[in-house]
Amino acid sequence: NAGVMQNPRHLVRRRGQEARLRCSPMKGHSHVYWYRQLPEEGLKFMVYLQKENIIDESGMPKERFSAEFPKEGPSILRIQQVVRGDSAAYFCASSPRAGTGNTGELFFGEGSRLTVL
Amino acid sequence: GESVGLHLPTLSVQEGDNSIINCAYSNSASDYFIWYKQESGKGPQFIIDIRSNMDKRQGQRVTVLLNKTVKHLSLQIAATQPGDSAVYFCAENTGNQGGKLIFGQGTELSVKP
Repeated sequence: NAGVMQNPRHLVRRRGQEARLRCSPMKGHSHVYWYRQLPEEGLKFMVYLQKENIIDESGMPKERFSAEFPKEGPSILRIQQVVRGDSAAYFCASSPRAGTGNTGELFFGEGSRLTVL
Repeated sequence: GESVGLHLPTLSVQEGDNSIINCAYSNSASDYFIWYKQESGKGPQFIIDIRSNMDKRQGQRVTVLLNKTVKHLSLQIAATQPGDSAVYFCAENTGNQGGKLIFGQGTELSVKP
């Protein structure tokens, strides 16, 4: 049973380019969460999605960032016109259900590390 | 704003000793707390959790203690091993928000052989 799969594991972009990060949740999981981790900091919640719906995007920057979780295929976190401050590790987590308060069922991927030159 | 924070950024222990990692939280409405272990270059790995109606929970070699009076959480690791070396994060969940967690800064645990 494959875990949460994220790709690419490492991504280098120049300022102004676009970054696309992909996340395939665990089999049977329909709830996806994206987190950002700056060096030597804890993870910060960005967005929570279910299939075809954004449920909570309170942690997403208002500009340049977007996320989707289509009916078919992985969840995508898209960052347009990247800046150096976007350099971070971006983690995806998936869960089989929502709203239980039991995040022992929350499983994280290995992360995608974005470096902006 | 409200946050979860850790008292010590680094902790160095001798192999075989017990480790205690502390965490303070400020949101009194939080009702679920989790400890994660993150090894270098990897994602967070669930260790143990505790609900606010409990004050202690034990797992394999790990114990989590919750003191709601002072809003304090701790993770105790018994007989610490080199494989325990990692960064440990506490996280809180408020209400019925599933996977929306607030993470602390993290404590780096280093185990000396």
